[in-house]
This record gives sequence, structure tokens and C-alpha cells, in this order.
Amino acid sequence: GAGVSQTPSNKVTEKGKYVELRCDPISGHTALYWYRQSLGQGPEFLIYFQGTGAADDSGLPNDRFFAVRPEGSVSTLKIQRTERGDSAVYLCASSAYGTRSTDTQYFGPGTRLTVL
Amino acid sequence: DQQVKQNSPSLSVQEGRISILNCDYTNSMFDYFLWYKKYPAEGPTFLISISSIKDKNEDGRFTVFLNKSAKHLSLHIVPSQPGDSAVYFCAASAIETSGSRLTFGEGTQLTVNP
Repeated sequence: GAGVSQTPSNKVTEKGKYVELRCDPISGHTALYWYRQSLGQGPEFLIYFQGTGAADDSGLPNDRFFAVRPEGSVSTLKIQRTERGDSAVYLCASSAYGTRSTDTQYFGPGTRLTVL
Repeated sequence: DQQVKQNSPSLSVQEGRISILNCDYTNSMFDYFLWYKKYPAEGPTFLISISSIKDKNEDGRFTVFLNKSAKHLSLHIVPSQPGDSAVYFCAASAIETSGSRLTFGEGTQLTVNP
């Protein structure tokens, strides 16, 4: 079956602009995660959805970042007033349940965001 | 603070030999540990995991060892193959305190030379 997909694969924008990044999880997966990976670092947790609700958004760096998952499948990460420091690869992952440590997270290929 | 650390940014080994990748953690609440492999322009791919109630888990050429007292885990790849060349991330989770979120190390670039 299809894995996690993310669009666009690359996004170049100017400082101050608004961007939306989309994630299509594996069909039937209840849990969805967003991570951000900066150059030379490991992925850093941003937000976790259980169904339609954000179960943990403690990783969002500030109020310019927001994510939704209105129907419990596709999710959109929204960044307002982008800054150069937002440049990174944004990774989405999904898992079947999200309520157990043993629930494997499957990652998409990521969206590379560059803020000029 | 960096709760999961991979102190070696890179490792180079000869094909057929053993690769040993190391990872240290500081949060004693972590109860599940994973290794992910990442190729360029792709997302991380799950490789192997271990629960804190075990000290070893094996899957084919890959074995993960966990030393809870030292807060240390390692990934052994035997024999190493050129296709194993990738960035390897160690990750941990603590379901009781932080749900399913994963905390990753910085990664180790493994190069297996033919």
C-alpha cells in the first residue's frame, strides 16, 4: 500500500510569507506527527494528532506555527510570517494507534522549506 | 537539553566487517528505543527497536543492545554491506510522560566501503 506522502517536496518562499505543507498519512492510521529537521540535526517533534485533535502540540516553536487535521486523515502544517530560521526539512509520520510506545512511526519523504 | 546523543557524527567501515553505532540518553523515563535509517532525500525508515524490559533485540544482520544502568544503547550491523551506507538515528519515547513523541539523536553517517 501507499506510504506517507508529503507535498510539496520543495518550497522556496520569502521572509514574511505564509506557507502550507501537506501530509497524507497511511490509510487508516489514527496518529499523525510533524517533526522538523534542521541541517546536521535529528528530527525534532512539533505536534501529534490523535484522530482530528492535537493531542500534544508542545513542540511548536511559537504561535506562527499551526497544524490541522480536520477529517482525521490529511494534515496541513501552516507557518505564518516565515523567518529564515524556519528553513528546514519538515517531516510527517503516521502510526496505527499512537497510544503505545511500540507503535511504529512511518515517515514521509519530507518537505524542504527554504525561506529567503 | 539534548536528551538523546549520538557522539559520533560519522563512521567508516569495510564491507563484511561489523559496524557499531552508539547512542546515549539522559531521560530515565524513556522506555522504548528505536533506530531509524535515512537515505538522502528520503524520510527516516524504521530499522529495529527495543523495549526497556529487554537488553537485546536481534533482526537478521541488525542487533540492538540496551544498557539501562549506563543509559546507553548500540546498534550492531554484521556483516556490513555497502547498501547500509546511510545516516542512522537513535530515537526514544516515554509513553507515560510524553506519549508517542520520539526524541531523536543527531545521527551518525555510516559509510561502508566495498
